Amino acid sequence: SQTIHQWPATLVQPVGSPLSLECTVEGTSNPNLYWYRQAAGRGLQLLFYSVGIGQISSEVPQNLSASRPQDRQFILSSKKLLLSDSGFYLCAWTTGTGHYGYTFGSGTRLTVV
Amino acid sequence: SQQGEEDPQALSIQEGENATMNCSYKTSINNLQWYRQNSGRGLVHLILIRSNEREKHSGRLRVTLDTSKKSSSLLITASRAADTASYFCATDARAAGNKLTFGGGTRVLVKP
Repeated sequence: SQTIHQWPATLVQPVGSPLSLECTVEGTSNPNLYWYRQAAGRGLQLLFYSVGIGQISSEVPQNLSASRPQDRQFILSSKKLLLSDSGFYLCAWTTGTGHYGYTFGSGTRLTVV
Repeated sequence: SQQGEEDPQALSIQEGENATMNCSYKTSINNLQWYRQNSGRGLVHLILIRSNEREKHSGRLRVTLDTSKKSSSLLITASRAADTASYFCATDARAAGNKLTFGGGTRVLVKP
């Protein structure tokens, strides 16, 4: 069966420090991968998505970047965190057919201090 | 801008009652999906309804879609305390590059 792993679960980082959040999917190949951010009590904002290795599309200009070094690995990074980068980050995957819903990871709570 | 907007933003009901929440969207869609999120957790996919479907059921969940009104509703029947969560609608629309766009969610509290 397909599973998605996202880590770490929580992270407290100082302003100006780097960031690396990792997401891996098991049990499927060539998934579409997504990074979303959720502000407290709000909906989800799509940050990046990828339909294949090395293919990254950015939805919102910001202090973050994403990479997909392997088929089932999606990484969210920042060179220097801002206070405004705090939030709940969710990774998700789906097939490319659009016939199924997204499967989400358990999320990373990032607090920039 | 958000494609889907849920109404109400919050809902409080007694166990055993039905809970209904609505979602409105702006552009034509391929499908509309409903998700549930327990506090501090990831989202769980509940139901996907395609643009050519009008109603779908899954257990105690009933989803309707009215493409003429660009709206959808999620009904939870015989609610349980464990149904307490936030519920989000999300639209898959060609105008959005076939990416999922989420609304702000409805927070549902089911009191025992």
